[in-house]
Amino acid sequence: AQKITQTQPGMFVQEKEAVTLDCTYDTSDQSYGLFWYKQPSSGEMIFLIYQGSYDEQNATEGRYSLNFQKARKSANLVISASQLGDSAMYFCAMREFGRGDDKIIFGKGTRLHILP
Amino acid sequence: SAVISQKPSRDICQRGTSLTIQCQVDSQVTMMFWYRQQPGQSLTLIATANQGSEATYESGFVIDKFPISRPNLTFSTLTVSNMSPEDSSIYLCSFTSGRNTGELFFGEGSRLTVL
Repeated sequence: AQKITQTQPGMFVQEKEAVTLDCTYDTSDQSYGLFWYKQPSSGEMIFLIYQGSYDEQNATEGRYSLNFQKARKSANLVISASQLGDSAMYFCAMREFGRGDDKIIFGKGTRLHILP
Repeated sequence: SAVISQKPSRDICQRGTSLTIQCQVDSQVTMMFWYRQQPGQSLTLIATANQGSEATYESGFVIDKFPISRPNLTFSTLTVSNMSPEDSSIYLCSFTSGRNTGELFFGEGSRLTVL
């Protein structure tokens, strides 16, 4: 079974609109962390935001926020006021701290296209 | 934050040859992770490399095909052996930040094309 599921292979959004990228995860660990990364066409992996399973508040970093719904096991990324430079692949990822090995597993990604 | 550099950034290789990718970090890190990203795909973990011990490989990856060295806390290499066109991918090294969030920092990636 997939640990991280991103159901949107691609999305087209008008510039300046908000966009939500979906991510659901599967774990039996109580302690885990969720990450979002951005990969522009240049190929670099850029860390965006982190949410710990015990964090009570949703994480925010500038225009990025993470809509964490623990009971639903979802960790959607919200980008407010989208910009052309937001066009990229976005990966949701998870680390299960109970494993003790620091591994991070990635979802298949969502390609976001921001339209002018 | 630490700087991680990876080389080569890209290469075109002939079938049957081997290529070694180098990853250098400007500070000491305990664990390094090697990922593969096939065209249009997500990142798949190849192995975890600890200094002074054998790398731990994920299912589907073997040491004979992807030997890894980790001679010290700032350096690692991944060799892609006896390459075939299916090995055409981006290979990325990474390590965990020291912060409690534990996010991964990535090298720039090595884009290999096997003809």
